[in-house]
Amino acid sequence: RKEVEQDPGPFNVPEGATVAFNCTYSNSASQSFFWYRQDCRKEPKLLMSVYSSGNEDGRFTAQLNRASQYISLLIRDSKLSDSATYLCVVIPRGSQGNLIFGKGTKLSVKP
Amino acid sequence: GAVVSQHPSWVICKSGTSVKIECRSLDFQATTMFWYRQFPKQSLMLMATSNEGSKATYEQGVEKDKFLINHASLTLSTLTVTSAHPEDSSFYICSASIGSAGYEQYFGPGTRLTVT
Repeated sequence: RKEVEQDPGPFNVPEGATVAFNCTYSNSASQSFFWYRQDCRKEPKLLMSVYSSGNEDGRFTAQLNRASQYISLLIRDSKLSDSATYLCVVIPRGSQGNLIFGKGTKLSVKP
Repeated sequence: GAVVSQHPSWVICKSGTSVKIECRSLDFQATTMFWYRQFPKQSLMLMATSNEGSKATYEQGVEKDKFLINHASLTLSTLTVTSAHPEDSSFYICSASIGSAGYEQYFGPGTRLTVT
């Protein structure tokens, strides 16, 4: 089983739609979780951290389920500019902070 | 703040030659720098972690004699791909960490290497 697994998509949605991405991780001792965004041929950029209690940043909501080893990202009112690949990232406990990236889920928002 | 640059942004080289990629933290001192590689449609894979003044720690399967990492100062790390082969063609991205917590990583814009 891969360390971090994501549905590669693509998710093609119209503007204004709500879309959700899921991610599972294999290391139950993982300690930190993030969502990054990567545009084509660009470096990844931190979108938001994921906290156990769930957290929201504008149109974006992230949730963590440690029991199921599952992370989600919800995007409301999708914008054209949201089109990108969304990377689920995990830091295993004791890894000295090394980021483990999923392959990403591609989102395409259409007008 | 927290800007990381990479140079060159892209490079084409012939098989058998060596290529050096620079990673600089422009407005902060980086305790740790990380080097990643990303093949098309694949996830970023950590290649090595380097701390200023000490030897890099390589991930399993990454040849340390082929991918030479030098971290001579708190603002500069270099990755040299020696005797490059076409299978080394990839997107190489560095990141720099401000504190001891590795998750505070700021990524450079990446270097696209094509070996012909």
